[in-house]
Amino acid sequence: EDKVVQSPLSLVVHEGDTVTLNCSYEVTNFRSLLWYKQEKKAPTFLFMLTSSGIEKKSGRLSSILDKKELFSILNITATQTGDSAVYLCAVANFGNEKLTFGTGTRLTIIP
Amino acid sequence: DVKVTQSSRYLVKRTGEKVFLECVQDMDHENMFWYRQDPGLGLRLIYFSYDVKMKEKGDIPEGYSVSREKKERFSLILESASTNQTSMYLCASSSLVTASYNEQFFGPGTRLTVL
Repeated sequence: EDKVVQSPLSLVVHEGDTVTLNCSYEVTNFRSLLWYKQEKKAPTFLFMLTSSGIEKKSGRLSSILDKKELFSILNITATQTGDSAVYLCAVANFGNEKLTFGTGTRLTIIP
Repeated sequence: DVKVTQSSRYLVKRTGEKVFLECVQDMDHENMFWYRQDPGLGLRLIYFSYDVKMKEKGDIPEGYSVSREKKERFSLILESASTNQTSMYLCASSSLVTASYNEQFFGPGTRLTVL
């Protein structure tokens, strides 16, 4: 059975801090790993990673994948209150359109 | 701008009622999905569909059914609602043919309460 584990479950930091969110996975035939941000409603897409060692970056957010050790990290630098959200990690297998999600990390930024 | 819409943001039903949750996407996507999201459990897949009239069970299909008569619309049906089906329900869609083939686009969710 495919499994995705995120850590920590929740995190509270002050504005301006840097945070690292973790996602480890066990899947049968890995195709890609996706990160989503969920505020009060629909999850919104952040990154999709398919290759090891290649950093994806968007503003203060960045992510990297390690296919040998089966994990990914999401970094957020200079955090702002608008970064407060649940961050979801999901993985996809080849030959299958489904995503398996982790339980998410709830990030709270204190002004 | 891509869009997935769900028929209701909030819904309150009584135990035993039949409940229909509707999802519509305007992106001509082949795949559509229904999830429920509960605290501590994350998103769990109920059913998905990869074509009109096609459906496959996800991880937790018990107590649910689905219908996909048109490509843009995917309905989730609770035949006889129970209190343990109180949850946030999220619909999503994805394309088979774009470069981001695994990226799923989500609707705003329906928070269902069964009394």
